[in-house]
Amino acid sequence: GENVEQHPSTLSVQEGDSAVIKCTYSDSASNYFPWYKQELGKRPQLIIDIRSNVGEKKDQRIAVTLNKTAKHFSLHITETQPEDSAVYFCAASKPGGGNKLTFGTGTQLKVEL
Amino acid sequence: NAGVMQNPRHLVRRRGQEARLRCSPMKGHSHVYWYRQLPEEGLKFMVYLQKENIIDESGMPKERFSAEFPKEGPSILRIQQVVRGDSAAYFCASSSGGAETQYFGPGTRLLVL
Repeated sequence: GENVEQHPSTLSVQEGDSAVIKCTYSDSASNYFPWYKQELGKRPQLIIDIRSNVGEKKDQRIAVTLNKTAKHFSLHITETQPEDSAVYFCAASKPGGGNKLTFGTGTQLKVEL
Repeated sequence: NAGVMQNPRHLVRRRGQEARLRCSPMKGHSHVYWYRQLPEEGLKFMVYLQKENIIDESGMPKERFSAEFPKEGPSILRIQQVVRGDSAAYFCASSSGGAETQYFGPGTRLLVL
């Protein structure tokens, strides 16, 4: 089955700096890659997603890039703010079987003042 | 415009008891997914259901766990004879189609004493 690896497990940045989180996946058939943000004790919230027919997608301070050949995708957050502090999860899914998500192990992002 | 609803939010059971977790999908969504999150870990897929059908239960333990999504009412994840290792947060997600974005509920935090 699909395996998703995520790095780093923890990331500390200064407010205003950029943060980058990287994920790799194993199944070349995977074609959908969402990113979720989870604050302590809360639900995972979708922040951005990308499908395999595009290489990059941007939404204000958040961008995701996808390299299908290398089977990796990354989350980029620019101009980080304290409210960006949370755990971020990448995930991957492939067609058929209903799009079940395989998640990475999460990155604890801390934005320091 | 209610999102995905889950109840109860917190559930305490003693070993050997049964746990019933309920999930009401977003309005218009007929696809439900259950995921389990152990402390300090990512989310693991358990089961995918459409109305009255289990589509994929490959992530659900074969014993003690069952899920349903009846024609009327919420989806239910049932855990019989709970053990301490069942303590976790159980999240459901819903989507409007098998290849569409999944939106998560607030989770049920199960504690087995």
